Amino acid sequence: EIVLTQSPATLSLSPGERATLSCGASQSVSSSYLAWYQQKPGLAPRLLIYDASSRATGIPDRFSGSGSGTDFTLTISRLEPEDFAVYYCQQYGSSPLYTFGQGTKLEIK
Amino acid sequence: QVQLVQSGAEVKKPGSSVKVSCKASGGTFSSYTISWVRQAPGQGLEWMGRIIPILGIANYAQKFQGRVTITADKSTSTAYMELSSLRSEDTAVYYCARESLSGPHYDYWGQGTLVTVSS
Repeated sequence: EIVLTQSPATLSLSPGERATLSCGASQSVSSSYLAWYQQKPGLAPRLLIYDASSRATGIPDRFSGSGSGTDFTLTISRLEPEDFAVYYCQQYGSSPLYTFGQGTKLEIK
Repeated sequence: QVQLVQSGAEVKKPGSSVKVSCKASGGTFSSYTISWVRQAPGQGLEWMGRIIPILGIANYAQKFQGRVTITADKSTSTAYMELSSLRSEDTAVYYCARESLSGPHYDYWGQGTLVTVSS
């Protein structure tokens, strides 16, 4: 089973700052199978990034993804007030077929 | 546009079963894989299983094998997730999610269904 570990658990930043969120995998993950989601309280997750670096439809270009193998990063270049939320990475692979990281909470400093 | 609309909240007794539905609109239902993902209060996301309606094939996470059954009715574009032998730890919001045709990521999600297991 591939385990995804996200760091930090909580990130405290101010609007306008740059956010860097990490997702580490216990085994190598195909870049084609790594995605990032944003979740706000009481709502379903929203797809941000797929294939490690492709932005989903309608996602602003301040969101970018990078990485390969076991280390992946989600970067938000300049934080907007609406970006404060919980972020999850997700991979597709062996059993279980899909796994999620435990999440990073991005909070306002 | 694509929508996944789930059934309403449920309160169940320990040991009973729950069946949650997910009705799709705005796309070709049979062409897409539908997964079920749950989220316990204050916790992260956990994949439970998926179904490929066009094939009628379901796969389950080992953790839920024997307790979960995922089905799909192509005639009504509806997927179902039934979880049996409920215990308090099954209290969670259950989401259905549609897998994109471009890869194993979820481009559309249902609104979630809260299942509360309590005596």
